[in-house]
Amino acid sequence: AQSVTQLGSHVSVSEGALVLLRCNYSSSVPPYLFWYVQYPNQGLQLLLKYTSAATLVKGINGFEAEFKKSETSFHLTKPSAHMSDAAEYFCAVSERTGGGNKLTFGTGTQLKVEL
Amino acid sequence: KAGVTQTPRYLIKTRGQQVTLSCSPISGHRSVSWYQQTPGQGLQFLFEYFSETQRNKGNFPGRFSGRQFSNSRSEMNVSTLELGDSALYLCASSSGTSVYEQYFGPGTRLTVT
Repeated sequence: AQSVTQLGSHVSVSEGALVLLRCNYSSSVPPYLFWYVQYPNQGLQLLLKYTSAATLVKGINGFEAEFKKSETSFHLTKPSAHMSDAAEYFCAVSERTGGGNKLTFGTGTQLKVEL
Repeated sequence: KAGVTQTPRYLIKTRGQQVTLSCSPISGHRSVSWYQQTPGQGLQFLFEYFSETQRNKGNFPGRFSGRQFSNSRSEMNVSTLELGDSALYLCASSSGTSVYEQYFGPGTRLTVT
């Protein structure tokens, strides 16, 4: 079975600083990877996805992620944090089973942005 | 395009009762998946429906069931509610073909007392 591990359940950065949220995956086949963001009392919003087309993936709100096969990583970055980025971020891998797909999520990283 | 809608948004039930949650996917999407989110277990996959057929199921007891209608709308049902069923239930819709991203609704917050 495929899995993802998110290192750091809580990350705190200053406004304007670099955001780096870590995700490592485990997969026996080329993975399809996603980053989602969840604001309080809301569902999950797709930030970006990796489907093997390009290793550097750009998403919404200035976020991007780089797929590194040698490191089995898919870390999420943003050059300059904004207060509105404070939320919980989930890395997920899509697993093909039973003719369909299911997402397996990491445990999430709560991002805090301080003035 | 309208997003995924879920009703109701909040629900309070008593242990032993049953509950039905509803999900309307994005227009044109044929796949609906359900996930349970709790502080202790995180996000866990419940099941996926495609063209009215369940084609994936997670590791949940038989008290959790679902169905999909011909218009792709889906319902999930939980019978004989337990306190541990208190969670945010998220519905996600996708095109259902090949590998695809899933788009989530706002969720239904179920509290079991």
